[in-house]
Amino acid sequence: EVQLVESGGGLVQPGGSLRLSCAASGFTFSDRYMEWVRQAPGKGLEWVGRIRNKANNYNTEYAASVKGRFTVSRDDSENSLYLQMNSLKTEDTAVYYCTRYSGSYTRSLDYWGQGTLVSVSS
Amino acid sequence: DIQMTQSPSTLFASVGDRVTITCRASQSISSWLAWYQQKPGKAPKLLIYKASSLESGVPSRFSGSGSGTEFTLTISSLQPDDFATYYCQQYDSNPYIFGQGTKLEIK
Repeated sequence: EVQLVESGGGLVQPGGSLRLSCAASGFTFSDRYMEWVRQAPGKGLEWVGRIRNKANNYNTEYAASVKGRFTVSRDDSENSLYLQMNSLKTEDTAVYYCTRYSGSYTRSLDYWGQGTLVSVSS
Repeated sequence: DIQMTQSPSTLFASVGDRVTITCRASQSISSWLAWYQQKPGKAPKLLIYKASSLESGVPSRFSGSGSGTEFTLTISSLQPDDFATYYCQQYDSNPYIFGQGTKLEIK
């Protein structure tokens, strides 16, 4: 059974940093692209960023709203995905979801974690 | 960037109704569109990928159609479990934008 479990959320002051983690199981993590999606309270879904697999040089892509502040990384030996968030703004307050990309022939997010809440406030 | 426009924002319907939700892209995205269902307090769930392919385990009352810039999600006969918010997402090019969502409510 595929499982994605996020952790690391919490309250942080504007300008601060936070690192989210996602523990993956039930599939060959190293083969897959992985992505982060967020949802501000009462709002819609926003794609945050992606990391490709080793075969694709672990290349990353980001939404313009987080580019230069957020970094997606992974540790295939630990089956873990990370989101390093720096220079946090109040508008980064959201539930952050770890997701699995289904692949280039189906192009969707087929598994989601339960989410972890990040609150940016003074 | 490609913009995704979903309509309506809110849809009132009854159990047994046939409902359709529309998603329009600002430029062609071929068939690279996915649909998700989200219930309050829960993570989204994939329903449809590649515009019209049903994800494994999703009831056959859900169907998707379209290509290019116009797409629809249809629920053929609403069930009580279907009242939720639905999102489309384009997967043609970065950024992989979501539509703003359609909340399906009980009439």
